[in-house]
Order: sequence, then C-alpha cells, then structure tokens
Amino acid sequence: GAGVSQSPSNKVTEKGKDVELRCDPISGHTALYWYRQSLGQGLEFLIYFQGNSAPDKSGLPSDRFSAERTGGSVSTLTIQRTQQEDSAVYLCASSYKTGNGLRTEQYFGPGTRLTVT
Amino acid sequence: SQQGEEDPQALSIQEGENATMNCSYKTSINNLQWYRQNSGRGLVHLILIRSNEREKHSGRLRVTLDTSKKSSSLLITASRAADTASYFCATDTGRRALTFGSGTRLQVQP
Repeated sequence: GAGVSQSPSNKVTEKGKDVELRCDPISGHTALYWYRQSLGQGLEFLIYFQGNSAPDKSGLPSDRFSAERTGGSVSTLTIQRTQQEDSAVYLCASSYKTGNGLRTEQYFGPGTRLTVT
Repeated sequence: SQQGEEDPQALSIQEGENATMNCSYKTSINNLQWYRQNSGRGLVHLILIRSNEREKHSGRLRVTLDTSKKSSSLLITASRAADTASYFCATDTGRRALTFGSGTRLQVQP
C-alpha cells in the first residue's frame, strides 16, 4: 500500500510568514510523529499523536509551533511567524501498536524542506 | 545529551569490507531500532531488536544489544557502494516517540 506522504516537498517562505506542513500517515497507523532535522544533524522530536490526541508535545521548540490531527489520520504542523532558525527538513512518521501495546518500527515520509529567507 | 549516541560520527571504508557502528544510550528501553537515511530525506527502518534479544540478523546486517552496557552495534558485512548513507540508532522507552542519535555517516568507496 501507499507509504507516508508529506506535502509540500519544499517550501520557501519569508521570515514572519506562517506555514502549514501536511502529513498523511499509512492507513491504520494510530501513532504519528513529527521530527525536524537540521543539515547534517540527527532527528529532533517535536510531537507525538496517538489517535487524535497528543500525549507528548514536549519537543515543540516554542509556542509558534502547533500541530493537530483529525480523524486519526492526516496531521498538519503549523509554524507561525517563521524565523530563519526554523529552516530544516520536517519529517513525519507513523507506526501502529501491537496487541500488547508495544509500538513497532516507524515508517517515514520523504520530508518537507523548509527554507525561511 | 541525547538518549542514543552513535560512534563513530563518520566512517570511510572500501567496498567489500565490514562496517561497524556503535550506539550507546542512557535509560531502560523496550526496543532499539536502526535506520538508514539517504540524501537527508526520509529514513528507512532496517532492524528492530527488543530488550530481551541479544542478536538479530537481516541479510548482511547484524545487530547486537547489550542491555547491561546500554549499547548496541550494527555490522554491515561485505559492504557495497550503495550502502553509503547515514545510519541512526533510535531507542523506544515506551514513554514517547523514538529518541534518535546524531548518526554515523558511512562512505563506502568503490
């Protein structure tokens, strides 16, 4: 079946503008994750959804960042008043839980490369 | 520092040689996973090893886990130029999302 998709693949925006990034997880995956990755760096956790609720928002770097998930499927990550330091690749991943509650491997989308000028 | 830390940060080998990457972590885990990333975009899952497992194989990949030392290693045997990529370990503590290390950049020279 289809993998995780993200849109747009690239986004260039001016400092101060708002941006919305979209993630379509694999059908049936209840868990959805957002990460960001700066050039040459590891992944920085942003937020985790289980269904439509977000039990862990601890990675959001500031109140300019927010995310929502509706219908247990699509998620949008919104960055308000973008700053140059927000430039990075934003990666989305999804996974499902086994019957005993253990999470399995994560499947990643191709990412959105955000450039703030 | 991060939960998972890879060592070395960069590794350059010749085609046909074996590549070994190590990962250390700090807290108890449910499982540890290894991922591969090409060209700074999406990650691809390679292998998952649970906390009660000590070794796992998948094709040319061999992963070990030592929970007493809180460390794991990824061995790629008979490397190929196509194995050139960044490799990340990620720990699942069950409390939140995976925690990724900063990665090992592997260069396999043809």
